Amino acid sequence: DTGVSQNPRHKITKRGQNVTFRCDPISEHNRLYWYRQTLGQGPEFLTYFQNEAQLEKSRLLSDRFSAERPKGSFSTLEIQRTEQGDSAMYLCASSYDYLPRYEQYFGPGTRLTVT
Amino acid sequence: AQTVTQSQPEMSVQEAETVTLSCTYDTSESDYYLFWYKQPPSRQMILVIRQEAYKQQNATENRFSVNFQKAAKSFSLKISDSQLGDAAMYFCAYQGPGTASKLTFGTGTRLQVTL
Repeated sequence: DTGVSQNPRHKITKRGQNVTFRCDPISEHNRLYWYRQTLGQGPEFLTYFQNEAQLEKSRLLSDRFSAERPKGSFSTLEIQRTEQGDSAMYLCASSYDYLPRYEQYFGPGTRLTVT
Repeated sequence: AQTVTQSQPEMSVQEAETVTLSCTYDTSESDYYLFWYKQPPSRQMILVIRQEAYKQQNATENRFSVNFQKAAKSFSLKISDSQLGDAAMYFCAYQGPGTASKLTFGTGTRLQVTL
């Protein structure tokens, strides 16, 4: 069990560029979550996958955001035409149906800076 | 919509002393889970303690315990015998019923531990 991993850890991009982040959950975990955390705030839910199916998306997830989880393993979060307001820490978490109340394990996050 | 409020942006405690972090939440559900997560500087979020709403007994994990007041919708975290390694951001989180199991976080409390 190597924990949840996220790549890259840091990303600096210019406004208008596209970026993609990757999350590798704990291997047996079938549930995967994306959250966004801005400075001084708690994480906010973005979207959730059960296996390969994306079951819920927050209103925070504008049309410029898309997430995938092909084959129910790793997940990618893409932001198109980045804006300065997209600067944040993007956290991934995973859980498993048989954990107590789907207890979530978090990755270290990807810090995005849009200049 | 569920909300989680942490009214203490910062707290300070001396090593070996006890500190209590406050959290209130709002929900119309009767079945839910509450969590305290710890986020050390530049490190990933880890689960500290979990409370099931249907359980009257307060959860305890070593030096960490909660005071769960369901009627008052209050969920405080007590840290006994504080250690330097306890310094971190602490987030209170709510998880409602249903299969989505997304977390709703408060804004966090920064805990400083002094010698």
